[in-house]
Amino acid sequence: KAGVTQTPRYLIKTRGQQVTLSCSPISGHRSVSWYQQTPGQGLQFLFEYFSETQRNKGNFPGRFSGRQFSNSRSEMNVSTLELGDSALYLCASSLGIAGEGGQETQYFGPGTRLLVL
Amino acid sequence: AQSVTQLGSHVSVSEGALVLLRCNYSSSVPPYLFWYVQYPNQGLQLLLKYTSAATLVKGINGFEAEFKKSETSFHLTKPSAHMSDAAEYFCAVRTGANSKLTFGKGITLSVRP
Repeated sequence: KAGVTQTPRYLIKTRGQQVTLSCSPISGHRSVSWYQQTPGQGLQFLFEYFSETQRNKGNFPGRFSGRQFSNSRSEMNVSTLELGDSALYLCASSLGIAGEGGQETQYFGPGTRLLVL
Repeated sequence: AQSVTQLGSHVSVSEGALVLLRCNYSSSVPPYLFWYVQYPNQGLQLLLKYTSAATLVKGINGFEAEFKKSETSFHLTKPSAHMSDAAEYFCAVRTGANSKLTFGKGITLSVRP
């Protein structure tokens, strides 16, 4: 079974631009979560989607948004990019959500490395 | 609120030596605990997880971890280190009906020949 795939793997943007990252979960997984990884802040939770609905959101500004499609694929968008948005963005998928008896274990993709100049 | 503390940012061991990576958690409710490994330029790979079934959890690649409620710890061990174990290791916690994972800062493991 194929793992979580993320596209693109690498991206270079300039300040003020916007970017869209894509995540395809493991087949059959219904939940997708996004995390930002930076050397200074470590791994931080962005948001979680399940059945096309955002269930949970981390402490990020409104410039960060996401969505999930009916096939469980997810995209995240960052508008008006800042230098500090340079990071590895990781997507994780799980069968279900917390409280569903063990189906919430998250499996991560390889990430999209974003560099903002 | 939930949190994870991983003491130290770097651990170095000789090949064949015991690996011990420490993780302490803070949670007001029973936690679910995870160890992930990250190799350079890759995502996170799940090593093992504790979900209250058994306190000693065995994972992939010979790693195991023991949940100790009295010490609020979930340390990761491996009896004999291999060069291929060199990577960054993250401990994570989640609680209740919240799927969000809270990660520690990570520990870089180096293995000396």
